[in-house]
Amino acid sequence: GQQLNQSPQSMFIQEGEDVSMNCTSSSIFNTWLWYKQDPGEGPVLLIALYKAGELTSNGRLTAQFGITRKDSFLNISASIPSDVGIYFCAGQFSNTGNQFYFGTGTSLTVIP
Amino acid sequence: GAGVSQTPSNKVTEKGKYVELRCDPISGHTALYWYRQSLGQGPEFLIYFQGTGAADDSGLPNDRFFAVRPEGSVSTLKIQRTERGDSAVYLCASSLTSLNEQFFGPGTRLTVL
Repeated sequence: GQQLNQSPQSMFIQEGEDVSMNCTSSSIFNTWLWYKQDPGEGPVLLIALYKAGELTSNGRLTAQFGITRKDSFLNISASIPSDVGIYFCAGQFSNTGNQFYFGTGTSLTVIP
Repeated sequence: GAGVSQTPSNKVTEKGKYVELRCDPISGHTALYWYRQSLGQGPEFLIYFQGTGAADDSGLPNDRFFAVRPEGSVSTLKIQRTERGDSAVYLCASSLTSLNEQFFGPGTRLTVL
């Protein structure tokens, strides 16, 4: 299957700090999604990106669809304790329109 | 509005047994997906339905796994002769169409002893 490399694997930050994580692929995608997953829950959609170069915000979250279509990043500004969780990127190919391939996740810990 | 629901939330079974996992998608969503998530990993695609038909089952690991969606709404993932390696969280997601973002259910945690 497709490999999506997500980095960093884990982050420990102080409350109030900004966070940046990214996802790279060996293949071109036409859609990138970012999800957050809490323990014992399913992933919750944060941001969806559909065009190369697109920059989209959702509150304190900002995500961008890379120009090469092979990468995406997610920024979280002014982190708060409830940002704790695992963040996953997911990409969808341009010629299938069906399955998404997921990264291995970035575990975020926010220290109050 | 109701989100995606999955039952049971937890299932413990013995090696060799048969299990069924159920998914109720968001009403009106035509696309339904099953994923498997192992500890410390991202969700791994199993099968995708568009309406009643399986449009892509390339992620099913072997013929012990089967899924149906007879009326284009509720779906059941069936696993025969379960093995310890089948232990994982099985996630279901639905989307309005196959080109829209997916919304996930809470998952079923399957443990095979």
